[in-house]
Amino acid sequence: KNQVEQSPQSLIILEGKNCTLQCNYTVSPFSNLRWYKQDTGRGPVSLTIMTFSENTKSNGRYTATLDADTKQSSLHITASQLSDSASYICVVSDRGSTLGRLYFGRGTQLTVWP
Amino acid sequence: EADIYQTPRYLVIGTGKKITLECSQTMGHDKMYWYQQDPGMELHLIHYSYGVNSTEKGDLSSESTVSRIRTEHFPLTLESARPSHTSQYLCASAAPGTDTQYFGPGTRLTVL
Repeated sequence: KNQVEQSPQSLIILEGKNCTLQCNYTVSPFSNLRWYKQDTGRGPVSLTIMTFSENTKSNGRYTATLDADTKQSSLHITASQLSDSASYICVVSDRGSTLGRLYFGRGTQLTVWP
Repeated sequence: EADIYQTPRYLVIGTGKKITLECSQTMGHDKMYWYQQDPGMELHLIHYSYGVNSTEKGDLSSESTVSRIRTEHFPLTLESARPSHTSQYLCASAAPGTDTQYFGPGTRLTVL
């Protein structure tokens, strides 16, 4: 069964600290993996996308890693800001699907305190 | 910021009412999607469309219906709303040849 599991479910950190969010998936075949940021009451917004051959991708203070062999990904946030408070969702796409089928994790709810 | 819009943003209605959630995108995307999302849970695909006059049901069984008469417009209709329909509904679109989906801001529906 194609699944995407994220940990931790929730995380509280102080402003300025770093944190790492985890994503494990069983989706096969594999096309790409995205990390989305979803602010409360808003739709998800894409942060990074990685294909099978990529193992690191950065977007400002966000750095995503991918290990396609172990089917694991992480999102590292550096020097956190209050605006980083959001749900971070790991999304995996399966290869060969004309629909572009996406499998969503439940997200990690990050809260950044001042 | 993606050019995809949803209205209304919030809706509170009574049981049995018919409602239509609107979704429009100005990017010329052929593929459009409707997702249902409950708090702390993953997004579930309820409907999708490859293009005009093409609609399909997604993974999650839903009593809603959709239509795609124009490329830019993908409304979702509930003929008779029930409390079990209370949820957040997210619309998304993707360009031809890509599975990168751009999401609208969502409609938070509450059925009393």
